[in-house]
Amino acid sequence: GAGVSQSPRYKVAKRGQDVALRCDPISGHVSLFWYQQALGQGPEFLTYFQNEAQLDKSGLPSDRFFAERPEGSVSTLKIQRTQQEDSAVYLCASSFNRGDTQYFGPGTRLTVL
Amino acid sequence: DAKTTQPPSMDCAEGRAANLPCNHSTISGNEYVYWYRQIHSQGPQYIIHGLKNNETNEMASLIITEDRKSSTLILPHATLRDTAVYYCIVSPQTGNQFYFGTGTSLTVIP
Repeated sequence: GAGVSQSPRYKVAKRGQDVALRCDPISGHVSLFWYQQALGQGPEFLTYFQNEAQLDKSGLPSDRFFAERPEGSVSTLKIQRTQQEDSAVYLCASSFNRGDTQYFGPGTRLTVL
Repeated sequence: DAKTTQPPSMDCAEGRAANLPCNHSTISGNEYVYWYRQIHSQGPQYIIHGLKNNETNEMASLIITEDRKSSTLILPHATLRDTAVYYCIVSPQTGNQFYFGTGTSLTVIP
């Protein structure tokens, strides 16, 4: 079956631009997670959705970061006024329900020039 | 707070068993031990998880000590394709995020 997909796989943005990263979770998975992975580091939690409800956004680094999942399926992570420190791989994961095994997508590599 | 401690790197000869240790001395009774691996430029891949008992699947075996303060992931016959960063994670069943830490970089040597 299809796994978690993310698009685009690579994104280059000029400093100050807004970007939108898309995640398509595994069909039927209720829980969706976003992580940020800096070079040479492990993934770090950003935010979590249960269906369309964003239940935890404690990991979002600033108010420039915004995530949504309006219909409880596809999710978009938006970064406004990108900065160089936003350069990272952004990973999306989904699980059947809260507490279940998380399955990860391939990630979107964002480079801010 | 990663809540786990892993050696930063390990080598293993191709065809031999790879034994990757993890310390999780502050693990709570309701926390599972998960193992993921990440091959360069890919997303983390689920390997195995367990609570108390040892577990085995087609990829690996997970040995958890009786006091649950440490565990070992065993890849029985390592291949070159097993070269990756391996992450040990503890998470409660009702948890909503994983703390990855920096993992163990395993290199399988021909």
